[in-house]
Amino acid sequence: QKEVEQNSGPLSVPEGAIASLNCTYSDRGSQSFFWYRQYSGKSPELIMFIYSNGDKEDGRFTAQLNKASQYVSLLIRDSQPSDSATYLCALRPSNYKLTFGKGTLLTVNP
Amino acid sequence: NAGVTQTPKFRILKIGQSMTLQCTQDMNHNYMYWYRQDPGMGLKLIYYSVGAGITDKGEVPNGYNVSRSTTEDFPLRLELAAPSQTSVYFCASSFRDRGRSANYGYTFGSGTRLTVV
Repeated sequence: QKEVEQNSGPLSVPEGAIASLNCTYSDRGSQSFFWYRQYSGKSPELIMFIYSNGDKEDGRFTAQLNKASQYVSLLIRDSQPSDSATYLCALRPSNYKLTFGKGTLLTVNP
Repeated sequence: NAGVTQTPKFRILKIGQSMTLQCTQDMNHNYMYWYRQDPGMGLKLIYYSVGAGITDKGEVPNGYNVSRSTTEDFPLRLELAAPSQTSVYFCASSFRDRGRSANYGYTFGSGTRLTVV
């Protein structure tokens, strides 16, 4: 049973466009959700956290959560080449251990 | 503030050898974790600990052992290295669970790239 599903990509967008990354999950008891960015050869870095339905904005990043439909998404506005990385979706189920998706590779083309 | 420190960064082992991956955090986090990441396979939890003296198995514990004698340190031991243990290993830590609204996303170390030949 796959708990967190992400499209592996690669997702390719031109510089300045909006990149949309999606994640679906199966555990309805999941309480909070995280987006991590991982550059090639580096460790994951937390960029967004959301636990309530709706949108949460932080600079060029917007996380969207819809618990009824069991999906969480990440929008990156004005995409830059430096945003090129793998984006990992993670959720907190009923316990404290995060469950990670396999990640979506994003490429922003200059 | 160093965060989560892992050593070594790279290591090549021969089949059957043993080694310990070191992990230290200076953020006074209660929870610590060991993950392995294989290409295209995401992060798999090996072992975790909720405090000194308490450890438990994750998804893929076979071939590994851990100990947690202090809040700061959480070493991972490979006893008999096998080619299947070739991977990138990440140590992570987080605060104690304080409910769904608490942002206790993990802080990761820089990783150890291990090759078993």
